[in-house]
Amino acid sequence: EVQLVESGGVVVQPGGSLRLSCAASGFTFNDYTMHWVRQAPGKGLECVSLISWDGDNTYYADSVKGRFTISRDNSKNSLYLQMNSLSTEDTALYYCAKADPSRFDAFDIWGQGTMVTVSS
Amino acid sequence: DIQLTQSPSFLSASVGDRVTITCRASQVISSYLAWYQQKPGKAPKLLIYAASTLQSGVPSRFSGSGSGTEFTLTISSLQPEDFATYYCQQLSSYWWTFGQGTKVEIK
Repeated sequence: EVQLVESGGVVVQPGGSLRLSCAASGFTFNDYTMHWVRQAPGKGLECVSLISWDGDNTYYADSVKGRFTISRDNSKNSLYLQMNSLSTEDTALYYCAKADPSRFDAFDIWGQGTMVTVSS
Repeated sequence: DIQLTQSPSFLSASVGDRVTITCRASQVISSYLAWYQQKPGKAPKLLIYAASTLQSGVPSRFSGSGSGTEFTLTISSLQPEDFATYYCQQLSSYWWTFGQGTKVEIK
């Protein structure tokens, strides 16, 4: 079964750090660009970061640039998001998603999400 | 950055209704336009990609069309399981952006 499973979401204080993980299974992980997408409570979807299949290319939303770092370990079929200098505005459900080039890079597989709450 | 504006933001409809959601881009975009459905407490689900191609397993009552700056998602006959929030998404210069969403509720 094709699956993405996120983990690592917790309650963290403003200014703190957190590392999210996304475990992939059921497909050839190192063939695909991967994304992190977040959704604040009651709000819409926001692309946070993406990483190319080989990890050589990364992109970030302006709102997280300089604070978040995306990475991947293809030997472990895993995607990561290191989050530093967290603020209350980063409170959201964080999804990892797989982009499919045969579908014009649309996100065909999503995880169930992991909740990050930034609060004192 | 390219902005996507969906209309309406909220839609109240009955089972069997034909529903159309519009997504307008702030500038001309390519065919890298996708539509997603999200139900409460669930991850988004891909419905349409390349503006008009139906994702495998998605019912044929869903269709997408458009080009340039205006795109539409149509549900030909609304079913009870279609009540959800719908998002359009576009790719430009290696970056995806989403519309603000359209919530479809039962009248």
